[in-house]
Formats: sequence, structure tokens, C-alpha cells
Amino acid sequence: KNQVEQSPQSLIILEGKNCTLQCNYTVSPFSNLRWYKQDTGRGPVSLTIMTFSENTKSNGRYTATLDADTKQSSLHITASQLSDSASYICVVVRTDSWGKFQFGAGTQVVVTP
Amino acid sequence: NAGVTQTPKFRILKIGQSMTLQCTQDMNHNYMYWYRQDPGMGLKLIYYSVGAGITDKGEVPNGYNVSRSTTEDFPLRLELAAPSQTSVYFCASSYTGPQRGTEAFFGQGTRLTVV
Repeated sequence: KNQVEQSPQSLIILEGKNCTLQCNYTVSPFSNLRWYKQDTGRGPVSLTIMTFSENTKSNGRYTATLDADTKQSSLHITASQLSDSASYICVVVRTDSWGKFQFGAGTQVVVTP
Repeated sequence: NAGVTQTPKFRILKIGQSMTLQCTQDMNHNYMYWYRQDPGMGLKLIYYSVGAGITDKGEVPNGYNVSRSTTEDFPLRLELAAPSQTSVYFCASSYTGPQRGTEAFFGQGTRLTVV
């Protein structure tokens, strides 16, 4: 069973609207959680990195939240743009991880005009 | 800034052939990784390296080999290609280990098809 579950698998939103992506994890012991954006045919690009003590972190129109008690994170996209169409990947890292990211399967977001 | 560079971008192999996927980074990063990404699945770690001369297996190392003779380069070798190795391969690097919260940078990927 994957230790990082993302929902929904995919969503379609209208340009200018907001959306929220979810990430639930069971990875333990927890070190940090990352959100990546992956455009089609490209490698993942980091959006945010959050440690145990951080509840919210923003990067432009992207805001990530973390609840380490419930092991949940969300990524909120504000005022979506066509360029936001991509896969968004949640990644969790253990404290004893010497090279290992635990990747979610991603949420595919399509922004339509 | 070049970052992490992978070559080739695309390749078609016949069953049983061998090839090397090249990865180089110009950021003086100690950690380097090879992942494969299959449709609908999260990236899976194949091999990683914490410095020149040091490599270790990830989750799915069977059918692959790596070497790390320099800080910059981390080639991935496929011996006796099989259809199950059809995937997109990503190389990544970071200055320290991910548990320290440092950024990881990914290459553009190599799309490999084995027929």
C-alpha cells in the first residue's frame, strides 16, 4: 500500500477559479513534506518544503498546509491560470531517510479557458 | 545554469539490448538519484548515491547498475533490456540528504521504450 495517497486523481477547473488538492500519508518518522509541479514531459519542480513545525507555506499563488497530527497536507491554487495545468505530486521524507523520497501518484490538474 | 542534464531524451531499445542513461549535474551536489515513473504511479527509487564512489540500491534496482566515479556524473546502466523497463527515467540531485530539507532538482527525463 502506498504510504502517500493523493486525491483527487484528476480535476478540471475553469481559469481564474481556485482548487485544493489533498495528500494523506502514513510515512513515519516524519521529516518533511514537499509539493512538486510536473509539467507534461518535464521533470518535477519544487513548490514548497514543510517541516514538522510549519503549518502553512506559500509560493506565489500556491499555498500548502500541513497537519502533522492527522498526517494530512493540502495544496491550494488561487486564481488558476492555464499554465497551472500539470501534475502535482506530494512527497514525504522520513527522518531516517538517506536518499529516499516517498512519492504520491500525483493529481492531474487541467485548467480550461 | 544547466542544473541536472539527462541524455538521451528518448530511446527505443530491443529486448536484450543494453544502454546507459547519462546524468550530470553542475551544482556540486553530493546526493544523486535515479527514479523511474510509470503511468499512474509515484516515482520509484532505483539507485542513489551520497557521494563519489558510494552507491546504494533503492526500491527497484533489479536489471540496473550504477557507478559514481565523479561528483558530477551518475550514469544508469540497463543490461539485457526487458519490456518491464519501459518507463520514464528521472535523475535528481541534492546537496545533502532529503531528511535535512534541502531542495532536490530533477532532470528532464528519459523516455525509454523496450520492444
